[in-house]
Order: sequence, then structure tokens, then C-alpha cells
Amino acid sequence: GAVVSQHPSWVICKSGTSVKIECRSLDFQATTMFWYRQFPKQSLMLMATSNEGSKATYEQGVEKDKFLINHASLTLSTLTVTSAHPEDSSFYICSARDVSGRMSYGYTFGSGTRLTVV
Amino acid sequence: QKEVEQNSGPLSVPEGAIASLNCTYSDRGSQSFFWYRQYSGKSPELIMFIYSNGDKEDGRFTAQLNKASQYVSLLIRDSQPSDSATYLCAVNNGNNRLAFGKGNQVVVIP
Repeated sequence: GAVVSQHPSWVICKSGTSVKIECRSLDFQATTMFWYRQFPKQSLMLMATSNEGSKATYEQGVEKDKFLINHASLTLSTLTVTSAHPEDSSFYICSARDVSGRMSYGYTFGSGTRLTVV
Repeated sequence: QKEVEQNSGPLSVPEGAIASLNCTYSDRGSQSFFWYRQYSGKSPELIMFIYSNGDKEDGRFTAQLNKASQYVSLLIRDSQPSDSATYLCAVNNGNNRLAFGKGNQVVVIP
């Protein structure tokens, strides 16, 4: 159980365009999902916490107008990178936790999205 | 001080040996602790989780938690080439957020 699906797995876009990444919990409901960014050879950095039915909570230094998060249902959160620039190229990963709080599942990660902005 | 620290560099171990990884955390109120394995270009996958002081064993993996000293470790017994990956320590400090260490690369030499 506790499967998180993330799409697309990779995307190449032109500078100035927007890219939407989807994160779905397939077999559980998640009131909270998390979005991370990982640059090469670095650890995961939490960007924001996505809350179903309310505004996302962004970490310090993350531009909320650039990284738009929508968590419209208990199984879907989306991250839109607006006006993407080459420095936004990174590995974006979402994570979710079963709302039942079954500790054994911990936090499950999606497969990640490799974004390359050219 | 970083929330979660994994300071040791790449670890090379011969196949069949024990790999030992350490992690320290700064928030004494942290409640749960996780070890994730990440292969290059892939997302992390959960290996172990631990909440109580002491040891927790799962197959070839053993997690050890010492809240008084604020460290958590991971032992990999009978290391296999497929264990070659980066291992990330993560800590939940109670506000539902996971803080990650920078990771330790493990290379198992056949």
C-alpha cells in the first residue's frame, strides 16, 4: 500500500513557459502532501507543504508566486513552475503520508520529475 | 547547526561486510526517524523507520536510536552490490515535516 504516482517523470521546456507536475496518492487519502527539490549531489530540500482545501505553506526563500501549488482533493496535488528559467532545472519530488496515520508507511515519495529548462 | 547531519563521506565496503551509517539531529523534540535509500536519478524509498530508543531490525537492516545522544544509525549486514546507493536520514520533528540529511553514499565492492 501507500503508493504515490507522480507525472511527468521528465520534462523539457523552454525558458519562460510554465510546467505542471501532478502528484497522486493511489491507494490512500492524503490531506497533506509535500514538495521537494533536489539539485545534483545535494539532499532533498522541502519547498512547500500542500494542504487539501487550503493554501500551501511555503518554506523560507521559496517564491509562492513562482511555484503554484493546488491541492484540490484528498488524492491530488499539483505543482506549477511558472515562467521557468534554467536555474529552475532540478529534480522535483512529491511525498505524502496516509491520513490514517499508520506509522508503518512513513512518508511515501513519488517517482520524481526531472525538469530541464532550456 | 543543521537540523539533520550526516557527516561521513562516501563509504566503500566489500561485499558481505557491514556498512554503518550515522546521523545526528538537533531538535530534541523529534519524534520519528527514517532511513531512505536513493539510487542515482531515482526518488527515495523507505528502508527503515524507528520511534523508540534501541534497535530495530528488518532483514539485513538494523536501525539504532539514542534520543539522549540525539543520533540514529543504520547498519547494513551482508552488504550486496545492490545496496550501493545514497542513504538519507530523515527526522520528523513533530510538525509533520521531514528534515533530511545530505546523505551518505555507499559503494559495495564485489
